[in-house]
Amino acid sequence: IMMTQSPATLSLSPGERATLSCRASQSVGSNVVWYQQKPGQAPRLLIYGASTRATGIPVRFSGSGSGTEFILTIRSLQPEDFAVYYCQQFNDWLPLTFGGGTKVEIK
Amino acid sequence: EVQLVESGGGLVQPGGSLRLSCAASGFIFSSFEMNWVRQAPGKGLEWIAYISSSGFTTYYEDSVKGRFTISRDNAKNSLYLQMNSLRAEDTALYYCVRGEKILYDWGQGTLVTVSS
Repeated sequence: IMMTQSPATLSLSPGERATLSCRASQSVGSNVVWYQQKPGQAPRLLIYGASTRATGIPVRFSGSGSGTEFILTIRSLQPEDFAVYYCQQFNDWLPLTFGGGTKVEIK
Repeated sequence: EVQLVESGGGLVQPGGSLRLSCAASGFIFSSFEMNWVRQAPGKGLEWIAYISSSGFTTYYEDSVKGRFTISRDNAKNSLYLQMNSLRAEDTALYYCVRGEKILYDWGQGTLVTVSS
């Protein structure tokens, strides 16, 4: 299953809303995970089951979608949120497959 | 606190071998499935290998099948990746990751560079 993320880069200012998209090549139900990766750091689990925040993840992060279309929304970007975000499906296990990533950069 | 610390990376010539290790702490290692995920320089994430909690079941991504072997020693809380017949395209940061379908915790990675 291929996961396609868009846009590749999102240029926004602190305080703005970020909307990141992830599309699966076939239905994956709600079996989608989102990760955040900051420069020089390992990825961190953000959202699983398409919409459930992982432990310690701020409420400004939310996920939605099912089937083939998924959205990660960051309400009111904070300076620490500028990073690369990856989606991953586990409906077709294995292989686990990731999207190519969306970089959220400071405008 | 979960800690995953990888080691064993380095520079190796094409066709060579390396063995990566991952020392786990902060959780009951023998109860959890583990994976190796890699990231080529400036690129995205690629899952490459899975091992069940007991170690009896393993799966591999097609490009590494037959060349890489994932294993674990539950008595030592350690995960391993034996990499043989290395190619330039195996150059990447290799992460040790806890989880089955959801990748809950990640180490900081160990860099493998395949070059002559």
